[in-house]
Amino acid sequence: DAGITQSPRHKVTETGTPVTLRCHQTENHRYMYWYRQDPGHGLRLIHYSYGVKDTDKGEVSDGYSVSRSKTEDFLLTLESATSSQTSVYFCAISDPPGLGYTFGSGTRLTVV
Amino acid sequence: QQQVKQSPQSLIVQKGGISIINCAYENTAFDYFPWYQQFPGKGPALLIAIRPDVSEKKEGRFTISFNKSAKQFSLHIMDSQPGDSATYFCAASPYSTDKLIFGTGTRLQVFP
Repeated sequence: DAGITQSPRHKVTETGTPVTLRCHQTENHRYMYWYRQDPGHGLRLIHYSYGVKDTDKGEVSDGYSVSRSKTEDFLLTLESATSSQTSVYFCAISDPPGLGYTFGSGTRLTVV
Repeated sequence: QQQVKQSPQSLIVQKGGISIINCAYENTAFDYFPWYQQFPGKGPALLIAIRPDVSEKKEGRFTISFNKSAKQFSLHIMDSQPGDSATYFCAASPYSTDKLIFGTGTRLQVFP
């Protein structure tokens, strides 16, 4: 999607290893979000950010951490990957509120 | 906790028919209700959104109906087309926070 890119697009990692997913935007939006998408659960919010160094937890934050040192980058880290974290991860941006999210194309993560 | 309940899980419609997807919410602080459309391998994209000061919003073949007293809202797709085949997500948030809670999704298949 224009203005927001996620990397990598696919990743296979072993249980217990740390993994970092990157979301990069060129829209200068303040708000950034990480969601995970799983069958039967829809999209669930992991962490979100309202600006540089301003982050907070979503509904499924256990086992995840985030950092935002620049407006354009929002990193999601799985500190010690588990099989339950196998999922498709989406980053989204918005600004101002109420105009809708723009989602990235997603990262498919498999933990073996 | 499932704050936004979406049904049905899947829907099969004949070309030219009407597709109807329903959502119900619990949190009375929600005052922004968007619908997202997702094609395989892509991120969700904003389709249409409504705020509770109106009971209906129409954009082309897509209409949101909103019932504040029942805490329910629905998406109607008129004259459904095979190109509408996708997964649809309802969502809700307090407008000011823009922190969306998504439903579990409806997979729509439109057959010619």
